[in-house]
Amino acid sequence: QTVVTQEPSLTVSPGGTVTLTCASSTGAVTSGYYPNWFQQKPGQAPRALIYSTSNRHSWTPARFSGSLLGGRAALTLSGVQPEDEAEYYCLLYYGGAQLWVFGGGTKLTVL
Amino acid sequence: DVMLVESGGGLVQSGGSLRLSCSASGFTFRSYVMHWVRQAPGKELEYVSAISSDGATTYHADSVKGRFTISRDNSKNTLYLQMSSLRVEDTAVYFCVKGGYCKSANCDWGWFDPWGQGTLVTVSS
Repeated sequence: QTVVTQEPSLTVSPGGTVTLTCASSTGAVTSGYYPNWFQQKPGQAPRALIYSTSNRHSWTPARFSGSLLGGRAALTLSGVQPEDEAEYYCLLYYGGAQLWVFGGGTKLTVL
Repeated sequence: DVMLVESGGGLVQSGGSLRLSCSASGFTFRSYVMHWVRQAPGKELEYVSAISSDGATTYHADSVKGRFTISRDNSKNTLYLQMSSLRVEDTAVYFCVKGGYCKSANCDWGWFDPWGQGTLVTVSS
């Protein structure tokens, strides 16, 4: 059973920078896992932020960036705003029978 | 604007069946992959199923394989999830998600937006 692991929670000050990571139990995450990142606020459906590692959607603010970092997928928020407080999920592609697997989510607190 | 509206959720007993529907509008439904994703109360997202634009290719997570079937009716712009042998652990909000574009046999399986608002399925013991 493949497990995708994210930090359970992180705290950042307004205006600060924070990096969320996404690790795979199968080994290093590469671009072939087509990492996606999603933001979910309480009571709302998720919204896509990043696809294929580092591509922002047209609605994604420039302060969000995706990358690969130390064998993990990463989402960096620079100049964090209070409205960025949310749960963030990564999604990795495994193909075959599993196809896609979500991480457990990171609860980001802006304080 | 793209809109996805799920329906069909509700309370069902363990072992029962339910069919979810997702009505799509605002885009050429027959040209796009569609996904189902679920979220148990207070828990993380879980990928459930996907289907190609023509319905010829489908995927189901191991946790639902053999019990759930994804399908679509392109004439009605509607996506379905037939759920049978339901278990308490299937209790979740089920989201319908627009996927990527399919051209001939090639589909973009890596697009996940927008999402519907979800429909709640509760399985009681």
